[in-house]
Amino acid sequence: QVQLQESGPGLVRPSETLSLTCTVSGGSISTYYWSWIRQPPGKGLEWIGYIYYTGTTNYNPFLKSRVTISLDTSKNQFSLNLRSVTAADTAIFYCARGRLTGATTWFDSWGQGTLATVSS
Amino acid sequence: SYELTQPPSVSVSPGQTARITCSGDALPRKYAYWYQQKSGQAPVVVIYDDKRRPSGVPERFSGSSSGAVATLAISGAQVEDEGDYYCSSIDNSGNPLFGGGTKLTVL
Repeated sequence: QVQLQESGPGLVRPSETLSLTCTVSGGSISTYYWSWIRQPPGKGLEWIGYIYYTGTTNYNPFLKSRVTISLDTSKNQFSLNLRSVTAADTAIFYCARGRLTGATTWFDSWGQGTLATVSS
Repeated sequence: SYELTQPPSVSVSPGQTARITCSGDALPRKYAYWYQQKSGQAPVVVIYDDKRRPSGVPERFSGSSSGAVATLAISGAQVEDEGDYYCSSIDNSGNPLFGGGTKLTVL
């Protein structure tokens, strides 16, 4: 059974870049849509973007100018960079495995989540 | 912009049927998905492709979709089913989209 684990600094200063990595174990990183989803404290879920195993990416239009998702198949990892962060970017960040049914991407496995706080 | 609309909260007594709705203009043409999130935990998919249940999800969870409304039903709701439930589908651009979430209370 696939498992996902987020890692990265819990505190990021305003205007800097938030960088997180997701390590995938118990399965190959091929075939799926490897995704990042965030949840501000006490609020709902927001899809950030995904990378397909071929390297093709798709980002939330509201975040696209600040987001890069990359893949390292040799390490079974994928990563998130979110640039120019503000306090509004404080959230629990989840990595997730996405599947495609028709034209719809959904998420069948999630990491436990990691809290990233933006503060000076 | 396209949205998925859920009621903020639903409350039932143990053993009753809880129904959570999700409204969205594209739902007549696109699948709906349901995620359960218990306090302090990551979301877990409980219904996919409108009405299919992943292995390990109790049979009391069921999904349906009619027109622009998808519904998650929990028959014989238990205290352990309390949590936040999110519907999901895609927006006009084909990107994943979540509803605002519904807090289910069973007491």
